[in-house]
Amino acid sequence: GNSVTQMEGPVTLSEEAFLTINCTYTATGYPSLFWYVQYPGEGLQLLLKATKADDKGSNKGFEATYRKETTSFHLEKGSVQVSDSAVYFCALRDPSGGSYIPTFGRGTSLIVHP
Amino acid sequence: DTGVSQNPRHKITKRGQNVTFRCDPISEHNRLYWYRQTLGQGPEFLTYFQNEAQLEKSRLLSDRFSAERPKGSFSTLEIQRTEQGDSAMYLCASSSEQGSGEKLFFGSGTQLSVL
Repeated sequence: GNSVTQMEGPVTLSEEAFLTINCTYTATGYPSLFWYVQYPGEGLQLLLKATKADDKGSNKGFEATYRKETTSFHLEKGSVQVSDSAVYFCALRDPSGGSYIPTFGRGTSLIVHP
Repeated sequence: DTGVSQNPRHKITKRGQNVTFRCDPISEHNRLYWYRQTLGQGPEFLTYFQNEAQLEKSRLLSDRFSAERPKGSFSTLEIQRTEQGDSAMYLCASSSEQGSGEKLFFGSGTQLSVL
């Protein structure tokens, strides 16, 4: 079946530090990959996505590249801000098995200190 | 576009009671999902509607759980004879896109506590 594995959190960084949150996946076919972000007290919202191998999704300074050879979709940002403190969820959607249901990882909490 | 709305935000109930949650998706979104999230975990799929048709149900959805979307607009999720293990955040999401790049819009959830 499909699954998503994320690095354990929390990730604690100082402002302007470089961020990497690792995500690897298992899928039957060729999934689309997503990063969602959940700010405190709010619902999940899409941060970025990539629908085929070697695509790069980007938004708000965050980037992630769809690496089929390593089945990975790591999230990166060059300089984090306090306002980036949130929980980040990696997700995939693989319709090859007949299901269109997105599968989520467990989430990685990011804490950015001033 | 007022976003996905879920009510109530919080629900405290005693074990054995029935509870019902409501989700109002973004208008004209034909796809609606229910997920459950426990502390430290990601959203776990419960069930999915396309318009009024319930197309998929997770094995997590025991016979105590039932969901409806009678007119293809709002949806309700009912849990009968609640158990302490049902305590979780229940999330609703909607979308209108077809295809592999579908973007889900989530509500803020209903936090259920079963005492």
